[in-house]
Amino acid sequence: GNSVTQMEGPVTLSEEAFLTINCTYTATGYPSLFWYVQYPGEGLQLLLKATKADDKGSNKGFEATYRKETTSFHLEKGSVQVSDSAVYFCALANAGGTSYGKLTFGQGTILTVHP
Amino acid sequence: EAQVTQNPRYLITVTGKKLTVTCSQNMNHEYMSWYRQDPGLGLRQIYYSMNVEVTDKGDVPEGYKVSRKEKRNFPLILESPSPNQTSLYFCASSLGHRTTEAFFGQGTRLTVV
Repeated sequence: GNSVTQMEGPVTLSEEAFLTINCTYTATGYPSLFWYVQYPGEGLQLLLKATKADDKGSNKGFEATYRKETTSFHLEKGSVQVSDSAVYFCALANAGGTSYGKLTFGQGTILTVHP
Repeated sequence: EAQVTQNPRYLITVTGKKLTVTCSQNMNHEYMSWYRQDPGLGLRQIYYSMNVEVTDKGDVPEGYKVSRKEKRNFPLILESPSPNQTSLYFCASSLGHRTTEAFFGQGTRLTVV
């Protein structure tokens, strides 16, 4: 079956530090890969996505590249801000059958950025 | 504004007392689902629906029911809640294709005592 593994958290950084959150996946076929972000007290919202191998998703200074050879989709940002403090979820969606539209999530990584 | 609305946001109830969490979306999405979020486990799918009157079990359906009588609404029903159903619940909707974004409600924090 499908699975997503994220690096253990929580992650604590100072403002302007470089961020990497690792994500690896197991899936059959050709999944799409997503990063969702959950700000305190809110629901999840899409941060970025990539739908095929070697695609790079980007948004708000965050980037992630779909690496099929290493089954990875690591999230990076060159300079984090206090406002980036949130929980980050890596997820995949597969096609067809009972996987129709379903998202499989990693366990989430709590990011705290200090001034 | 495109949105998924869940109610209530917070709920404390007692074991065995039936409850319903409502979910409504205004994007005409066919695919809707319920997830529960627990520390260290991420989000796990409870039930999903591909269209009106079409529902099926997700990964953790025990103790839950759903219905889809209208396209916009997808309520989650706990007929006899137990303490192990204490969790944060999210409703989501999407076009259902693997490449499309899912939109989430703000969550319902349920405590069963």
